[in-house]
Amino acid sequence: RKEVEQDPGPFNVPEGATVAFNCTYSNSASQSFFWYRQDCRKEPKLLMSVYSSGNEDGRFTAQLNRASQYISLLIRDSKLSDSATYLCVVNLGGSQGNLIFGKGTKLSVKP
Amino acid sequence: GAVVSQHPSRVICKSGTSVKIECRSLDFQATTMFWYRQFPKQSLMLMATSNEGSKATYEQGVEKDKFLINHASLTLSTLTVTSAHPEDSSFYICSAVGTSASTSYEQYFGPGTRLTVT
Repeated sequence: RKEVEQDPGPFNVPEGATVAFNCTYSNSASQSFFWYRQDCRKEPKLLMSVYSSGNEDGRFTAQLNRASQYISLLIRDSKLSDSATYLCVVNLGGSQGNLIFGKGTKLSVKP
Repeated sequence: GAVVSQHPSRVICKSGTSVKIECRSLDFQATTMFWYRQFPKQSLMLMATSNEGSKATYEQGVEKDKFLINHASLTLSTLTVTSAHPEDSSFYICSAVGTSASTSYEQYFGPGTRLTVT
């Protein structure tokens, strides 16, 4: 079983739509969770951390369910500039380097 | 915010040659840097952890004699791909962890180096 699983998509949505991405992780000892955004042929950039209490940053809302080992990202009022691949990332703890990346979910927002 | 640079951004080399990639933290010190590799449509995979002043720690399946890592200062780590082969063609990305609260101990990624071995 893969450590971090995501639906690869692509998700093709019109501008203004609300879209949700899901991610599951296999290691119950995982300690912290993130969503990164990666544009084509670019490095990943941190979008937001994910907390058990849920957190929101503008149009983006992230949720974590530790019992189900499930993470979600909700994007409201999609913009053309939101088109990218969204990576679910899990930190196993210990050194800062234990980041496990999902393959990403591709989002394409159309006018 | 913290900035990490990589050089070169793109390199094409012939099979059998060696290629050196530099990773620099520009405005902060990083005792730890990481090297990742990403093949098309695949996830980033950690290759090795580079610690300033000590030997790198390689992930399982990564040949330490092929991928030489040197972390000579708090702002520079280098990855040398020795005797490159076409299957080494990939997107190599480094990241650096800040050492102070001002950098939030977060991993900052470089812009990546696209290596093509012909």
